[in-house]
Amino acid sequence: QSALTQPPSVSGSPGQSVTISCTGTSSDVGTYNRVSWYQQAPGTAPKLMIYEVSNRASGVPDRFSGSKSGNTASLSISGLQAEDEADYYCSSYTTSGTVVFGGGTKLTVL
Amino acid sequence: EVQLVESGGDLVQPGGSLRLSCAASGFTFSSYAMYWVRQAPGKGLEYVSTISSNGDKTYYGNSVKGRFTISRDNSKNTLYLQMGSLRAEDMGVYYCARLRGTWYFDYWGQGTLVTVSS
Repeated sequence: QSALTQPPSVSGSPGQSVTISCTGTSSDVGTYNRVSWYQQAPGTAPKLMIYEVSNRASGVPDRFSGSKSGNTASLSISGLQAEDEADYYCSSYTTSGTVVFGGGTKLTVL
Repeated sequence: EVQLVESGGDLVQPGGSLRLSCAASGFTFSSYAMYWVRQAPGKGLEYVSTISSNGDKTYYGNSVKGRFTISRDNSKNTLYLQMGSLRAEDMGVYYCARLRGTWYFDYWGQGTLVTVSS
């Protein structure tokens, strides 16, 4: 199972909006609404941000939103804050009956 | 409060073995499938292994199949990963995570570091 494709890095200034894409195939993202997103600050464990494509996890600000179109899912962050700087990973259920992760995207807040 | 605490990470020689543990608390452990996910230094997350809630079904990533064995003891609220024939590419932080029904991980442990080197 190949990893989902994410851009290696994105950046934005405080207050701006950014979008991170996550491209899979018809064997994963394109077939199932079982896409989730995780935030990982340096030296810490991943933290669930979004599940089932667009549902925010408990305590996640509404500045974070998720969507999907075809084989590509997206995580959007509006009103960027310094604390949003982290690595972000997408994940999807697959026809193999397991989960596949994206390669990760480093978000830099300028 | 849900807690997952991994242990057992260590420095091991290539070809060696290691057993990781993940102690769960704050929830009904026996009701959830569990995952092991690893992260090589400076790299992304990689699926390692899954076990069903009662332990009767197990799955493995291609890179560890035949070398690693996942198990659980629901009476002790503990998840295990027996790792064998370790290679340099197995090095990294190993996380245990709780799987929810629609295939997302709502809780993760803090991770345990496995170093494979002679």
